[in-house]
Amino acid sequence: EAGVTQSPTHLIKTRGQQVTLRCSPISGHTSVYWYQQALGLGLQFLLWYDEGEERNRGNFPPRFSGRQFPNYSSELNVNALALEDSALYLCASSLGTASINEQFFGPGTRLTVL
Amino acid sequence: TQLLEQSPQFLSIQEGENLTVYCNSSSVFSSLQWYRQEPGEGPVLLVTVVTGGEVKKLKRLTFQFGDARKDSSLHITAAQPGDTGLYLCAGGIFAGGTSYGKLTFGQGTILTVHP
Repeated sequence: EAGVTQSPTHLIKTRGQQVTLRCSPISGHTSVYWYQQALGLGLQFLLWYDEGEERNRGNFPPRFSGRQFPNYSSELNVNALALEDSALYLCASSLGTASINEQFFGPGTRLTVL
Repeated sequence: TQLLEQSPQFLSIQEGENLTVYCNSSSVFSSLQWYRQEPGEGPVLLVTVVTGGEVKKLKRLTFQFGDARKDSSLHITAAQPGDTGLYLCAGGIFAGGTSYGKLTFGQGTILTVHP
């Protein structure tokens, strides 16, 4: 069974630019989560999508947004990139809201903002 | 705001030694997951515990969920260099038949096992 996949693996952008990261969940999983792992800050929850709807949002500015498609894949968009957005962006998937919420992570996208 | 405090932050031991990593909170969690992460990769789920007092074993790794579901521990017996990595605990909330979605992560424990 294929795991969570993310693309691209690495990305270099400059301040002010916009970026889109992509995630495909494990087959059968309807929930997708996005986390940011910046150096020294641990994993911080960004967004949760389930059945195409945004269910919960972490303490991040509105320039972090995303969506979930009918096939349950997801995109994370970051506008007006800042230096502090440099981090590993991790996507995870789970079976959905009526479960104990075991989350399985993808390999991440390393974003560097110059 | 729920917080998970993990300790120690760093562990450097010799092959064959035993170790324990702790994960503590003042909040009650419905589930507690332990992950292991290699540099530049995503966390890999090791175990999920959901019942207070639950103990799960995975080869040389023993995981325990506290009776009050506020704390957890990971014990590794006879550590090997292959155990080297970042260990993360994460707590989830599930209430009223619905998951609250986000996992709250501890800051992690960087384990180095020397041959």
